[in-house]
Amino acid sequence: EVKLLESGGGLVQPGGSLRLSCAASGFTFADFYMSWIRQSPGKAPEWLSFIRNKANSYTTEYNPSVKGRFTISRDDTQNVLYLQMNTLRAEDTAIYYCAKHGSSGYFDYWGQGVMVTVSS
Amino acid sequence: DIVLTQSPALAVSLGQRATISCRASQSVSISRYNLMHWYQQKPGQQPKLLIYRASNLASGIPARFSGSGSGTDFTLTINPVQADDIATYYCQQSRESPPTFGGGTKLELK
Repeated sequence: EVKLLESGGGLVQPGGSLRLSCAASGFTFADFYMSWIRQSPGKAPEWLSFIRNKANSYTTEYNPSVKGRFTISRDDTQNVLYLQMNTLRAEDTAIYYCAKHGSSGYFDYWGQGVMVTVSS
Repeated sequence: DIVLTQSPALAVSLGQRATISCRASQSVSISRYNLMHWYQQKPGQQPKLLIYRASNLASGIPARFSGSGSGTDFTLTINPVQADDIATYYCQQSRESPPTFGGGTKLELK
């Protein structure tokens, strides 16, 4: 059974930093692209970033809305996906999900999400 | 970015057919691949993949869900609607980066 479990969320002040983790199990993590997606209350999901697998040199893509502030990474030895978030703003307040990629850019499994609140 | 437009809400009776539409600002099809996908989200839960590449049923999804379309116009059909299907439905395109989602259609009971 595929499981994705996010952690590391919480309350942070504007301008602060936070690192999210996503522990994966139930599939060969190293073989798959992985994404971070967020969802503000009452809004549609917003894709943030993905990281390719080793076969594709772990290259990354970012949504322009977070490029330069957020960094995605992965540890295939521990089956963990990360999102380093810097210079956080109030508008970054959302539930953050990690998601496994299917073969054509869809997201076939999502974690339960972790809440990030940016407020003073 | 490719913009996906969905109607905000749809009211349906149990046992009837629900048709949810998604229109893209430009084609999301490449050759024979239609890079539009559908998700269901219930309150307090993460989105769940229903349909991938426009018409392919995801694992474990009941056959009352189906998808169709190509180019810029896509449809998710639920027939017949059951009480458990009351949720918000999102389309998502992977034709171009960044992947984008529609605004969601909230399925409500009539």
